[in-house]
Amino acid sequence: RKEVEQDPGPFNVPEGATVAFNCTYSNSASQSFFWYRQDCRKEPKLLMSVYSSGNEDGRFTAQLNRASQYISLLIRDSKLSDSATYLCVVKYAGNNRKLIWGLGTSLAVNP
Amino acid sequence: DADVTQTPRNRITKTGKRIMLECSQTKGHDRMYWYRQDPGLGLRLIYYSFDVKDINKGEISDGYSVSRQAQAKFSLSLESAIPNQTALYFCATSDRDYTETQYFGPGTRLLVL
Repeated sequence: RKEVEQDPGPFNVPEGATVAFNCTYSNSASQSFFWYRQDCRKEPKLLMSVYSSGNEDGRFTAQLNRASQYISLLIRDSKLSDSATYLCVVKYAGNNRKLIWGLGTSLAVNP
Repeated sequence: DADVTQTPRNRITKTGKRIMLECSQTKGHDRMYWYRQDPGLGLRLIYYSFDVKDINKGEISDGYSVSRQAQAKFSLSLESAIPNQTALYFCATSDRDYTETQYFGPGTRLLVL
């Protein structure tokens, strides 16, 4: 089992739709969680961190479920500019601190 | 101006050649990283450095070496390039904060023939 798993998609949605991605992680000692966005042939950029209580940034909402070991990203009112690959990232704590990157979920928002 | 820059942006080389990819940052961050990205494999860490005197192997360091010349500069070398090192290479930085947000350079596309 991969340490961080994402549905690769692609998710094809019309403008204005609501879309949600999940990401599961295998290590219960995982400490921090992030969503990064990567446009085609560009560098990844942090979209948002994921907090235990859930957090929202405009049209984007991130949730963490430690009991089931998954995080989610909800995008409301999708825009054409949201088309990208969304990478789930998990950080392990302690002496073996490292980031584990998911392979990403591809989103295409269509007019 | 970009905070993290990489040179070259694109490179074609032949098997057996030694090449160097360079990374510079103006963010003032202590921590720097080299990743490679391959379709279906995602981002994988090659080497990382938490300060000028600290160099650590990542998950796929074989065939690579690095040099941290200064806080702002971190270079990746392929000692003898081989075709399966064809990939998109990213340099990244992070600050000494809890979240360790990664700030990436624009990437170097490397093709080894």
